[in-house]
Amino acid sequence: DTEVTQTPKHLVMGMTNKKSLKCEQHMGHRAMYWYKQKAKKPPELMFVYSYEKLSINESVPSRFSPECPNSSLLNLHLHALQPEDSALYLCASSQGQGATGANVLTFGAGSRLTVL
Amino acid sequence: QKEVEQDPGPLSVPEGAIVSLNCTYSNSAFQYFMWYRQYSRKGPELLMYTYSSGNKEDGRFTAQVDKSSKYISLFIRDSQPSDSATYLCAMSGSARQLTFGSGTQLTVLP
Repeated sequence: DTEVTQTPKHLVMGMTNKKSLKCEQHMGHRAMYWYKQKAKKPPELMFVYSYEKLSINESVPSRFSPECPNSSLLNLHLHALQPEDSALYLCASSQGQGATGANVLTFGAGSRLTVL
Repeated sequence: QKEVEQDPGPLSVPEGAIVSLNCTYSNSAFQYFMWYRQYSRKGPELLMYTYSSGNKEDGRFTAQVDKSSKYISLFIRDSQPSDSATYLCAMSGSARQLTFGSGTQLTVLP
């Protein structure tokens, strides 16, 4: 089983709904990430939190709002999404800045989002 | 030109075959080279990573990096149906953010 837990596994929402994706890790990692992955494409980076502070926002539309309540939790709040936002949303974590060696990401299983 | 190029496949081989998966890249600042495996409807999982040039072996898997040619490979020996997945190369430099290849879809036929 993956050490990064994402909920829900599947989510269907209308364009006017507000929902949230949740991610949790207990590996003591200090960097957490949200990626978006469309079918047969590589993951695309959306946000990076480093030591609970947003360090990278890859020009993501404001209808996606990340939140990092503490070092173990990462949320992605969704509002007024479009059908083209339907994708697999992946959470990942890594040791973070200050760690030596490769920046190895541990991914969760993903939340599959369908926007109607 | 993309920073990382990877043949998307699909690649289909018989069980027991040796599989070669490859990526090329253009950014000479990349130092860390990784291979992730992603099963259908799952998140990517790290298979192995190497630093700079050279080879690394882990069981049936061997990763090779040739920085002079900007070319990395993953070899799978004695391939099994359970190896059927999408394989993503990824690399990073001192900035530590990963750049992924587009992924190669592999099917190993029993």
